[in-house]
Amino acid sequence: NAGVTQTPKFRVLKTGQSMTLLCAQDMNHEYMYWYRQDPGMGLRLIHYSVGEGTTAKGEVPDGYNVSRLKKQNFLLGLESAAPSQTSVYFCASQWGLAVLASTDTQYFGPGTRLTVL
Amino acid sequence: QQQVKQSPQSLIVQKGGIPIINCAYENTAFDYFPWYQQFPGKGPALLIAIRPDVSEKKEGRFTISFNKSAKQFSLHIMDSQPGDSATYFCAASIKTSGSRLTFGEGTQLTVNP
Repeated sequence: NAGVTQTPKFRVLKTGQSMTLLCAQDMNHEYMYWYRQDPGMGLRLIHYSVGEGTTAKGEVPDGYNVSRLKKQNFLLGLESAAPSQTSVYFCASQWGLAVLASTDTQYFGPGTRLTVL
Repeated sequence: QQQVKQSPQSLIVQKGGIPIINCAYENTAFDYFPWYQQFPGKGPALLIAIRPDVSEKKEGRFTISFNKSAKQFSLHIMDSQPGDSATYFCAASIKTSGSRLTFGEGTQLTVNP
């Protein structure tokens, strides 16, 4: 199993450009998440999904859109990139409403480092 | 508004020492408290987690202490090793609210040989 994979690993954008980050998981997880990580701020939730076809806003959703057309994929879009969106983006997935304690674990991908000039 | 506050921001110990990282939370609805470990260039990985119905959980050299009345929890690393040098994040979530994690700011731990 590959676990959680993210594409691309690095990207440089100019202000105003758009892009899509792809997250894929092969663990048949229901829940998927997008976080951004900035120095001194931990990880902050951007958007999340509790199942195929569903999405919801997290703590810092402005400037981002998401889609979950297939259970295994969760896409994060930036329609008009801004320098404030320079960050490392992490995708994560989890089984869903936990029945056993072991299913509470969120598994993270390796991250995408995005720079907006 | 930071609902989970973590301290210290950085910590340096000698090999064999016992680093302690502390977290405090505000939302009493949180029902799951994990600690994640992150190495440079990698995604966070679950280290250990606790639920509020127990006061302590130990897995190998890692122990979580949980104080529900004080709304605080901490990570202790026994017999720390240079390989434990990493950034540690505490977090909290609510199971019935999509299990969304609210993270602390992170602690950069360095264990010197």
